[in-house]
Amino acid sequence: GAGVSQSPSNKVTEKGKDVELRCDPISGHTALYWYRQSLGQGLEFLIYFQGNSAPDKSGLPSDRFSAERTGGSVSTLTIQRTQQEDSAVYLCASSAWAGSPDTQYFGPGTRLTVL
Amino acid sequence: DQQVKQNSPSLSVQEGRISILNCDYTNSMFDYFLWYKKYPAEGPTFLISISSIKDKNEDGRLTVFLNKSAKHLSLHIVPSQPGDSAVYFCAGGGSQGNLIFGKGTKLSVKP
Repeated sequence: GAGVSQSPSNKVTEKGKDVELRCDPISGHTALYWYRQSLGQGLEFLIYFQGNSAPDKSGLPSDRFSAERTGGSVSTLTIQRTQQEDSAVYLCASSAWAGSPDTQYFGPGTRLTVL
Repeated sequence: DQQVKQNSPSLSVQEGRISILNCDYTNSMFDYFLWYKKYPAEGPTFLISISSIKDKNEDGRLTVFLNKSAKHLSLHIVPSQPGDSAVYFCAGGGSQGNLIFGKGTKLSVKP
């Protein structure tokens, strides 16, 4: 009964580099979400995948951010040409999308630091 | 424009007493609300939810109250324990899929 897992747990990168963050959702969950939490802030929605539907990208802050979900399971969030303001904890969540309320279960997060 | 607001950044309570965490919202389209607890360096942990058609939901020491006319919900923890010390987030959910979170309230329960 594994929960949501994310890797790496910590990532330090230099400004201008690309980074990839990975999320393994709970097995059988059809919905997968990416959020980020900047220092002192709440969780900010980035993107969500539901089954085979086109992802909802409405939360992505710029075109440097993109995400894929392969085979309806693992997801990768990519940030190109990282900037210092991208430093945050990136959280992935999944849900069974089994009705209302649709409880989302979170992974431990990836702490990204852009120097 | 914050759709979910937690106006108290912190709350300190004595062990054994009641902790009341408050949350206000502006979006009438939320179908449900959830409360999460977050320890440092961990992801948020789901605590309890409430449908927008209910006004109360209980689970053990936790009770969530929803006042739709006031667009206000609260989480009551009683009795509070030192292990309850964490940051608590409320979130609204609905047909939009993603959750919309408040900024959190840091609860400290003192022995």
